[in-house]
Amino acid sequence: ETGVTQSPTHLIKTRGQQVTLRCSSQSGHNTVSWYQQALGQGPQFIFQYYREEENGRGNFPPRFSGLQFPNYSSELNVNALELDDSALYLCASSLPPGQGDYEQYFGPGTRLTVT
Amino acid sequence: RKEVEQDPGPFNVPEGATVAFNCTYSNSASQSFFWYRQDCRKEPKLLMSVYSSGNEDGRFTAQLNRASQYISLLIRDSKLSDSATYLCVVNMASGTYKYIFGTGTRLKVLA
Repeated sequence: ETGVTQSPTHLIKTRGQQVTLRCSSQSGHNTVSWYQQALGQGPQFIFQYYREEENGRGNFPPRFSGLQFPNYSSELNVNALELDDSALYLCASSLPPGQGDYEQYFGPGTRLTVT
Repeated sequence: RKEVEQDPGPFNVPEGATVAFNCTYSNSASQSFFWYRQDCRKEPKLLMSVYSSGNEDGRFTAQLNRASQYISLLIRDSKLSDSATYLCVVNMASGTYKYIFGTGTRLKVLA
């Protein structure tokens, strides 16, 4: 069984730039969620994708956007990067909502630094 | 008030000790509950789901008290390898995954 993978592992960007992070879900999982984890904090929910559509969103501005592809992989795009966007970005995959016990499995994350 | 609250610790305990963490949540409509473990600079890993009837996995026992809106995790016979941050997680609604994490409780098991 293939676990959740993310790329790249590390990234350094400049304020104002745009970034795209990628995630491949665990085999058999078609729901993908994205989280932002600042240093010393718990992860914060950004949004979730199911059947290639956004299915829930946290308190993040529109410059955070995403996509899900037919193979269930997903992208997180962040425009107009700000210094506070520096964080670990985690992708989690799971069975469809309503199936299973709502357990999510996380990828290793992408560490983004904005300078 | 935060939606999910945990004592950040750190809890420093000797090997072999029993340690307990509590977590409170504010939304009484919360549907499902979990404990995740996170090692330094790594991703969270599911430790166990938490059920109203309580559940046990080896040295780990989790309890849910819906009336008081808290979740607990008990670790018996602590090992050095248990040193990590333990994240309390609440899923806020059925039909979607919207995990709300606590800030985590740091545990250090000392030799």
